[in-house]
Amino acid sequence: GQNIDQPTEMTATEGAIVQINCTYQTSGFNGLFWYQQHAGEAPTFLSYNVLDGLEEKGRFSSFLSRSKGYSYLLLKELQMKDSASYLCAVGGRGSTLGRLYFGRGTQLTVWP
Amino acid sequence: GAGVSQSPRYKVAKRGQDVALRCDPISGHVSLFWYQQALGQGPEFLTYFQNEAQLDKSGLPSDRFFAERPEGSVSTLKIQRTQQEDSAVYLCASSLEDRGTDTQYFGPGTRLTVL
Repeated sequence: GQNIDQPTEMTATEGAIVQINCTYQTSGFNGLFWYQQHAGEAPTFLSYNVLDGLEEKGRFSSFLSRSKGYSYLLLKELQMKDSASYLCAVGGRGSTLGRLYFGRGTQLTVWP
Repeated sequence: GAGVSQSPRYKVAKRGQDVALRCDPISGHVSLFWYQQALGQGPEFLTYFQNEAQLDKSGLPSDRFFAERPEGSVSTLKIQRTQQEDSAVYLCASSLEDRGTDTQYFGPGTRLTVL
C-alpha cells in the first residue's frame, strides 16, 4: 500500500521561511513531486526529486532522503500569493508506473 | 491553448443520471491520467492512458466509471447512474512521455455535484 503523510495546515507571515514536511511509505518509488494548488485551480508542478539531497529553484527548495522516506519543501521570502495547498506526491514504478500517489495536502496561509 | 483543458468546469447531476467529462491534453503528450479529488483531500488516481491504450484502470471505483481516449488525444470520463459519493473534482493530467518520471500537467478540473 501507499501511505503519504503531511501536515494538514500551516501558517506563516509574509517574508518568513516555512518548511512543509512529507513522509512516505510506498511499495515502489520513482521520485517525489511537489505541487501547488490554489483553491479551485489546477495543481501546478513545483519540483521533482529522485536522488537524495536538496534541489533549489528560486524561492522554493525541495529535499529528499530516500532512506528515511522523507522530503520537505522549503519556501523562502513568503508572499501573500503563496497561500495555497501544497501537495506531496510519490511516483509509482513497475505495475504502477506513471501513477502519482498524493498526500492530502498542506494548506498554507500567509499573513501580512 | 498551451495547457490541459477540461469541460465542463462545473456539472450538477441528479442521482441516477449519466455524465461525461472531457479532457483536452497538451498537444503531443503521450500519457493522460484521470484523478478524483474529494474536498480537503489529495487527488486519487483513477486511470492512465498511453496514446489510445488504457494501461491501468485499477483506480476506477466501480464499473459505473468508464474512460476512453479513442484517437490518442482527447479523453472522456463517463460515469453512469451517478451517486452522491461521486461528488468530487475530476482532474485530468498529461505528460510528454511515458517514463513515469515525467511531470504531469493538470487541467483545472470538473467539479461534479450529484444531488
